[in-house]
Amino acid sequence: GAVVSQHPSRVICKSGTSVKIECRSLDFQATTMFWYRQFPKQSLMLMATSNEGSKATYEQGVEKDKFLINHASLTLSTLTVTSAHPEDSSFYICSANWGPNTEAFFGQGTRLTVV
Amino acid sequence: AQKITQTQPGMFVQEKEAVTLDCTYDTSDPSYGLFWYKQPSSGEMIFLIYQGSYDQQNATEGRYSLNFQKARKSANLVISASQLGDSAMYFCAMREPRFYYGGSQGNLIFGKGTKLSVKP
Repeated sequence: GAVVSQHPSRVICKSGTSVKIECRSLDFQATTMFWYRQFPKQSLMLMATSNEGSKATYEQGVEKDKFLINHASLTLSTLTVTSAHPEDSSFYICSANWGPNTEAFFGQGTRLTVV
Repeated sequence: AQKITQTQPGMFVQEKEAVTLDCTYDTSDPSYGLFWYKQPSSGEMIFLIYQGSYDQQNATEGRYSLNFQKARKSANLVISASQLGDSAMYFCAMREPRFYYGGSQGNLIFGKGTKLSVKP
């Protein structure tokens, strides 16, 4: 089946630094990818929709200047958490669909800890 | 209002028995898709089963089946012959059409999840 690869799986960074998370579709082209955030023991909440070649669409309440999304190619979307704070510590996971009525394939997720 | 409701925060089932995880949804769109994902403690999201709103028959995938009752807006997951490895969080999700570049590749809206524990 289709594979989405997310990297890194875990990252620990200091407050004030930036962290980049990559999401790659390995065997299909994804014009749209989605970024979700999951707090411990909670559900996945959509942060933004990443569109290849154009600006990302952010959900209400998500700071676009803090969570920078770039979808430069049909197989790669990146999420950069800028000027990270401890409250940004969370599990971030991306997904992509290879077709309109197909399941979403998820990356492995990234557990971010800001100290 | 919640679009996906999972009313069971936690469930226990004996190994080899069947278990039903509840999910109700709310949408006014006639075209939608319903999904179930399994999330073990590692965090990965594992796709289990899909039901389209126009599908006439209930979806089945191995030990997983989806009890789709459209009029009641419910999409319960049935796991038959539970195994210890089935212990995980289970999320019900819905996709409504959101159109990008002429296609329909909407995001998933997730329920709060049900933690399933399989007892030996």
